Amino acid sequence: QTVVTQEPSFSVSPGGTVTLTCGLSSGSVSTNYNPSWYQQTPGQAPRTLIYNTNTRSSGVPDRFSGSILGNKAALTITGAQADDESDYYCVLYMGGGIWVFGGGTRLTVL
Amino acid sequence: QVQLQESGPGLVKPSETLSLTCTVSGGSISGYFWSWIRQPPGKGLEWIGYIYYTGSTNYSPSLKSRVTISVDTSKNQFSLKLSSVTAADTAVYFCARFHCPGGVCDGFDFWGQGTMVTVSS
Repeated sequence: QTVVTQEPSFSVSPGGTVTLTCGLSSGSVSTNYNPSWYQQTPGQAPRTLIYNTNTRSSGVPDRFSGSILGNKAALTITGAQADDESDYYCVLYMGGGIWVFGGGTRLTVL
Repeated sequence: QVQLQESGPGLVKPSETLSLTCTVSGGSISGYFWSWIRQPPGKGLEWIGYIYYTGSTNYSPSLKSRVTISVDTSKNQFSLKLSSVTAADTAVYFCARFHCPGGVCDGFDFWGQGTMVTVSS
């Protein structure tokens, strides 16, 4: 079974730029996988950031952007702020009505 | 603004059936796809399955043999049943709405706050 891969952890300096990725254990992610991205802080429900590769959800600041980089989906945060310190999850559409989440990336801002 | 609220027992015995309901307010359940997602303590999100308001469903292959999702449009609710539970099913269970512009789903737009379910005797 194909696994959706994310970096377990990442760190960024305040004001810096970071790119988190979402890949496949076998194959390449394309827009056909409809990648979306979510931010989650402890004890809270996920917050939707990005739909369909690169469409920002309502109210999401434009320093969050989505793309395809090489063979992975990517979430880029520019001008990182302290409250960006969260867990970030991607989810991919695998076809046949099946959706699979990545394992998540814990982002530290320091 | 659409709001989702999960409800159900917080404690379920091993081998029994976990039952949760998601109540949708601020909008109609009709015309949309709805999903259940769970998160074991300290772990990541896991997609369980979805239901369309007409009743058509699809489930994660890893849970398919134990999961049933149903919808009650008259109550604006949809429900999850997970049978033969074990400690591994202990998790926060979220309900969510699919974002499907033009009929193509590309993520989840509204989420419930989640409800913790513990499987223990």
